[in-house]
Amino acid sequence: QVHLVQSGSEVKKPGASVKVSCKASGYTFTNYGVNWVRQAPGQGPEWMGWISPFNGNTDYAQKFQGRVTLTTETSTSTAYMELRSLRSDDTALYFCARERAYSLDHWGQGSLVAVSS
Amino acid sequence: EIVLTQSPGTLSLSPGERATLSCRASQSVSTTYLAWYQQKPGQAPRLLISGTSSRATGIPDRFSGSGSGTDFTLTISRVEPEDFAVYCCQLFGTSTRWTFGQGTKVEIK
Repeated sequence: QVHLVQSGSEVKKPGASVKVSCKASGYTFTNYGVNWVRQAPGQGPEWMGWISPFNGNTDYAQKFQGRVTLTTETSTSTAYMELRSLRSDDTALYFCARERAYSLDHWGQGSLVAVSS
Repeated sequence: EIVLTQSPGTLSLSPGERATLSCRASQSVSTTYLAWYQQKPGQAPRLLISGTSSRATGIPDRFSGSGSGTDFTLTISRVEPEDFAVYCCQLFGTSTRWTFGQGTKVEIK
């Protein structure tokens, strides 16, 4: 079955960068886009961006343009999200999710990123 | 940019009661692009409904979705103990690929 397994929790200082990984299994990785969604404590989900593992095309939310980079490594079926210039309000649970038929049908377990001086 | 507004913010129900959750879009949207998710604390969202009314694999038939235009509804016919959670609607869009509603919390009365 489909699984998305994310990397572990990270604690970063303001101004630093973080890179979260999402390893897919159970399906053909290049057939489905991967989205990244974050959720701050007590808040609703917030979409950050999408990448096509097939051709590397990306689509970023305007809020994160210039600060986030999505990449994939097809040889290992892994997607990555790098967020730079971290601030305290970037503290959140970060999820990857597979996109299928205008929905996000499988999600990773989430990676907590805490930003604190 | 289309905004999704969910109501009520919190729904207090007893097990066995019917839950009706609303999601209103700021402009008319295609039914193809509206989905619903369930989320429990510390967990990833779980897809319940796609295309306004199609249940995802393994979702019990007590969950149903309906609507068109700007008004969409998620109904839980008889709330079970495991259904107490937050429910979010989501839209696949053009200017912004994915938009989420702020969520409705279904809590035990």
